Order: sequence, then C-alpha cells, then structure tokens
Amino acid sequence: GNSVTQMEGPVTLSEEAFLTINCTYTATGYPSLFWYVQYPGEGLQLLLKATKADDKGSNKGFEATYRKETTSFHLEKGSVQVSDSAVYFCALTGGTSGSRLTFGEGTQLTVNP
Amino acid sequence: KAGVTQTPRYLIKTRGQQVTLSCSPISGHRSVSWYQQTPGQGLQFLFEYFSETQRNKGNFPGRFSGRQFSNSRSEMNVSTLELGDSALYLCASSLDNPGYEQYFGPGTRLTVT
Repeated sequence: GNSVTQMEGPVTLSEEAFLTINCTYTATGYPSLFWYVQYPGEGLQLLLKATKADDKGSNKGFEATYRKETTSFHLEKGSVQVSDSAVYFCALTGGTSGSRLTFGEGTQLTVNP
Repeated sequence: KAGVTQTPRYLIKTRGQQVTLSCSPISGHRSVSWYQQTPGQGLQFLFEYFSETQRNKGNFPGRFSGRQFSNSRSEMNVSTLELGDSALYLCASSLDNPGYEQYFGPGTRLTVT
C-alpha cells in the first residue's frame, strides 16, 4: 500500500533561516502529492500540491518538486518567519488507495525570533 | 466561499456512550472524507462518502460509521465509546477533481472519560 515518510522532528530554526523538510513516498502508479500545515488548535490547511512528475508546487514562499526518480517531495523555504511555526504534513493520494489521503508523521517546526 | 464547517468543536463523553459528529462541506463539493488524528497514530483515514455512497473505508472497527445526505453534508457516528477514541476528528471535502485536493475543517475534539 501507499506510505509516506517524513524527516524526524522537531525542527528549530532562527528567523530568516533556510528550511528543508524531507518527504519520501511509496506508492503504485502516479500519486498526487501534497503538503498540509496545521497551526495549534486548528485543522489542516493545504499548503501546496503537485500532480505529476517534475511539477513544482509553490505557495507563500514554500516550494516542493515532485521527483519520481527519487520518490521524494521535499518542502523548502528560503527564509522562514516566526509565523511559519506549525506542524507540516506530507501526504499523497492515488495509486491503490484512490482518493484517501495517506499522511506522513508530521514535522513540528519552531521558528525563533 | 465558506469553508468546511464541523460541529460541535468540542465534546466530552463517557465510555460506553455514543456520539454523532457533523460536517458541512464547501458548497459544490460532493466528496466528504473523515480522518482521526491522535498523538500516537497520527492522521488515519476513516471513510469517504461521495453522492451519498461510501466509496472508501479505512481500517476501523464497525463502531465507526457514517453517512452523507443529499445536500452533501455528512455525519459520523461512534458507538460504545472507548477511551482510545479520544482524538481530533477531521472532515475534508473535495470537488473530486483529478489530484483529489481536499480541504479540511477545524475538527471536533472528542474526549472520552
């Protein structure tokens, strides 16, 4: 079945630092890939997505590229802000699981001023 | 356009009781999925409804059930509550377009005592 593996957290950075959160996946066929963000006490917000190989999703300064050869979808941001502090989830749909979202474990990001 | 709404936001129940949670999707969305989020198990898929039919189901016991109405609103029910059912229950809606982009509500926090 489908699975998603994220880098272990938590991650603590200073403001304006470069962010990378690694995500790799296992899936049959051609899954769609997503990054969701969860702020304290809230639901999940869709941050960005990519639906085919070599697609780059981007939003609010965050980027991730769908790499089929390495089965990866790493999240990056050039300069993080305190307001980016949240939990980030990598997820996928498609393959044998249809429309069900399969999530990674989540990565807690804390950005200090 | 209004987002996904879930009611109630918080719920405290006693072991052995049953509970019903409600979800109203984004207008025009016909697919509604439910997820359980716990610190130990992370985000797990419960089930998905599309046009009043269950289309996909996760690995949860039969105590967990759901339904969808003709206006796409959905409810999930948990009978004979156990302490381990304490979790954040998230609802997500989708247009069912390719890529299965899902939008989440704020969740219902269920505490079983």
